[in-house]
Amino acid sequence: GENVEQHPSTLSVQEGDSAVIKCTYSDSASNYFPWYKQELGKGPQLIIDIRSNVGEKKDQRIAVTLNKTAKHFSLHITETQPEDSAVYFCAASITAYSGYALNFGKGTSLLVTP
Amino acid sequence: ETGVTQSPTHLIKTRGQQVTLRCSSQSGHNTVSWYQQALGQGPQFIFQYYREEENGRGNFPPRFSGLQFPNYSSELNVNALELDDSALYLCASSSPDRSITDTQYFGPGTRLTVL
Repeated sequence: GENVEQHPSTLSVQEGDSAVIKCTYSDSASNYFPWYKQELGKGPQLIIDIRSNVGEKKDQRIAVTLNKTAKHFSLHITETQPEDSAVYFCAASITAYSGYALNFGKGTSLLVTP
Repeated sequence: ETGVTQSPTHLIKTRGQQVTLRCSSQSGHNTVSWYQQALGQGPQFIFQYYREEENGRGNFPPRFSGLQFPNYSSELNVNALELDDSALYLCASSSPDRSITDTQYFGPGTRLTVL
């Protein structure tokens, strides 16, 4: 079936540095790409999303870029802080259903050290 | 505005038993989706409910079933539990606004352990 690949699986950065997480997807009809942050013992929290009619979107320290031709999208976190430490998931919309569902990557465990 | 809530928080069952998990959607949201998240993995789509009808289903067997009620809350039922069903079960809701109906907001999940 269609899938989403996410890299790296773990990422360790120093406080203040930037972090980049990359995802590729296989369903060329996917048109919605959200990113979620999941802290231990909690559900995924939507942090930013992008739709296929846009190439880049920014929200304060977080930005997402989308390359539809290459079928990849990336999350950029600048000026990282220890509270950014969590597991981050990318997702792509599934077009096989009449409703709206998401196909998730396997996650990136981000550790920001002071 | 109330977010997505789920109950119970944790549940322990034995193989072969049946379980019901519950979800209340975010205020104003009429679509509910269920996902299974195994340890160390991303969530996997189980099914979605809209206007009390199943509106799409992932690669899960029929022993996974669901309901949506007129107030948009939902239940996930799993029969004949297997050890591999041990996971975090997540509920997500989305808005009826067509421009953002694909945006899903997740609850905290129910941790199911099957022994």
